[in-house]
Parts: sequence; C-alpha cells; structure tokens
Amino acid sequence: GAGVSQSPSNKVTEKGKDVELRCDPISGHTALYWYRQSLGQGLEFLIYFQGNSAPDKSGLPSDRFSAERTGGSVSTLTIQRTQQEDSAVYLCASSLVRQDEKLFFGSGTQLSVL
Amino acid sequence: AQKVTQAQTEISVVEKEDVTLDCVYETRDTTYYLFWYKQPPSGELVFLIRRNSFDEQNEISGRYSWNFQKSTSSFNFTITASQVVDSAVYFCALSAAGRRALTFGSGTRLQVQP
Repeated sequence: GAGVSQSPSNKVTEKGKDVELRCDPISGHTALYWYRQSLGQGLEFLIYFQGNSAPDKSGLPSDRFSAERTGGSVSTLTIQRTQQEDSAVYLCASSLVRQDEKLFFGSGTQLSVL
Repeated sequence: AQKVTQAQTEISVVEKEDVTLDCVYETRDTTYYLFWYKQPPSGELVFLIRRNSFDEQNEISGRYSWNFQKSTSSFNFTITASQVVDSAVYFCALSAAGRRALTFGSGTRLQVQP
C-alpha cells in the first residue's frame, strides 16, 4: 500500500482479555517499529524488527506484551490479560532499512481497556 | 543514556506570529541524528526533518527553519508567519549510533488561533 496501515483503528476491550493489533508496513521497508502513546505523553518505544535479525524487545513493558513479524512484512502486537494501564494509542512505523532514517507512521490503534 | 526534552508543553499563538519550539537532547554518542515530527489532529505523525550530528548548518524550508547548536545540545524549530494548519503536536526525536530506536521528547502542542 501507499502508507503504513494499522487495524483496527479503535479497540475497546474488557480487562483481562487478550487483544491483537495489526500493522502492515510500506512494501519494501525492512525495519518496523511499535511505539505506544499514552494520553498527552510522548512516544514510548516497544519493539523493533529489522529484516531477519532478532527483534529488539527492550521496550516491552511486561511479558504480557509480545509481537511477531511474519514473512518480513505484516506485524502483530499481542497484549495478553489486558489491564487498564494498557489503554493508549499504539503506533506502528516502518523505514526502508535502518532506525536512523525517516520513519513512516500509521494512524495508530486506540486501545481502551474497561 | 539518551534523552530528549521539550520543555514547552503547550504554546498558543495568533495566526501570522512567529513561534519557536525548543528541543534539548542528551547523548554520549558522537554520531547521532535529530528529527522533528508533526502530529496533526488526525493522529498520523509526519516527518519534517532529519539532521546528523556532523552537520550544524541551519536549514530553512519554506516557513520552517531549524537551528542546530551542538554547544548547547539544542535543535530548535521555528515556524514563521504561523497558520491555523500548523496546529499540531510537534515531537523532537534522537537516534544515536548503537541504539535501535528513536527516543522521542514528550511533544509540544501548538495552537494557532485565527
């Protein structure tokens, strides 16, 4: 596609449920990132995929969070046993090769945990 | 450790005024990149500029200009003759060699009143 696509755009869930957020990066981009933006806050790094290398998971806040990237393209961020503090906008971005390049962001998924 | 500080949480100006958004960064790396991104009300972050640590030349792009000063670890952004369409949250970010993800500041919300 022309840009980074994220789905769903909004997700409301109950505390304790699992959720999956999807990111479809720009075709040909080898680097993919997930960030979290809480209300009125900056962007918090979660995880970074680069080609076939092991992902950098250093930003994941707990073991309830996981992500995978299949075939070097689409990525899924999974949050298990959601908590109210997980409520935020989850942003996906991609870049051509490296993290020091221009990032292209999706519109994000607004997650609300009730 | 690296850090980006945007001390101005919110700025309100009247259309046609000039406005400067401040960004101060910390890093121990000698090679790094600085970025500015714009997040309009639609939510999708848009890349504005990327500057490497070896290039201290100021840059002008239309009504936008950037002032990079290594001596004060600052990378400030000025909008000349602001317009209502400039209303957005602006993020400064840092990418240092060896780090695998951008570090973002907390953002400055700019409101341009007609």
